[in-house]
Amino acid sequence: SAVISQKPSRDICQRGTSLTIQCQVDSQVTMMFWYRQQPGQSLTLIATANQGSEATYESGFVIDKFPISRPNLTFSTLTVSNMSPEDSSIYLCSASPLAGPYEQYFGPGTRLTVT
Amino acid sequence: SQQGEEDPQALSIQEGENATMNCSYKTSINNLQWYRQNSGRGLVHLILIRSNEREKHSGRLRVTLDTSKKSSSLLITASRAADTASYFCATPGGQGGKLIFGQGTELSVKP
Repeated sequence: SAVISQKPSRDICQRGTSLTIQCQVDSQVTMMFWYRQQPGQSLTLIATANQGSEATYESGFVIDKFPISRPNLTFSTLTVSNMSPEDSSIYLCSASPLAGPYEQYFGPGTRLTVT
Repeated sequence: SQQGEEDPQALSIQEGENATMNCSYKTSINNLQWYRQNSGRGLVHLILIRSNEREKHSGRLRVTLDTSKKSSSLLITASRAADTASYFCATPGGQGGKLIFGQGTELSVKP
């Protein structure tokens, strides 16, 4: 298994600003993912964070709004840019181990409120 | 897009009772996973069942998979107040280990 930490755990931000969320894994992992969970909803995948290359975004999410970095096998960041109140959500980082079968381990989430 | 449809959306039971949650999906899969999320926290992986398995147990959890009906169920036996959480099924979302999560079932276990 992998233990994942996220920083910050929560934040309140003003519209128009940006927030960078950090995700740290305690062991090397193959895949890292970023999800958004709006209040009372399920998880929606934002993107797959690829080590050493550009992230792969899901439909409806773009790099300009959600730039992602993954400089190594244990760390990734998600930036929520030019925030609006609609970006208020929980943002979750997850990781899959080097070997399959692709069960994912999740961080505790970052609760973002945009005012 | 959401692949899994779960029912019920919410379930309230007394401690000691069994809780059953169902998940239906649309496309062929090679495995299906169940996760638990305590309020406002990250998800915890509960169990993975492969497409060639019909039933799997883990402690008080029993998961079934019917690939002909594209459905799965999660049974929690002898529920406890600590089982209060949201439960999500998840199926593979294509290449690269992506998962697609169902809408979830919110379980409330009253002491």
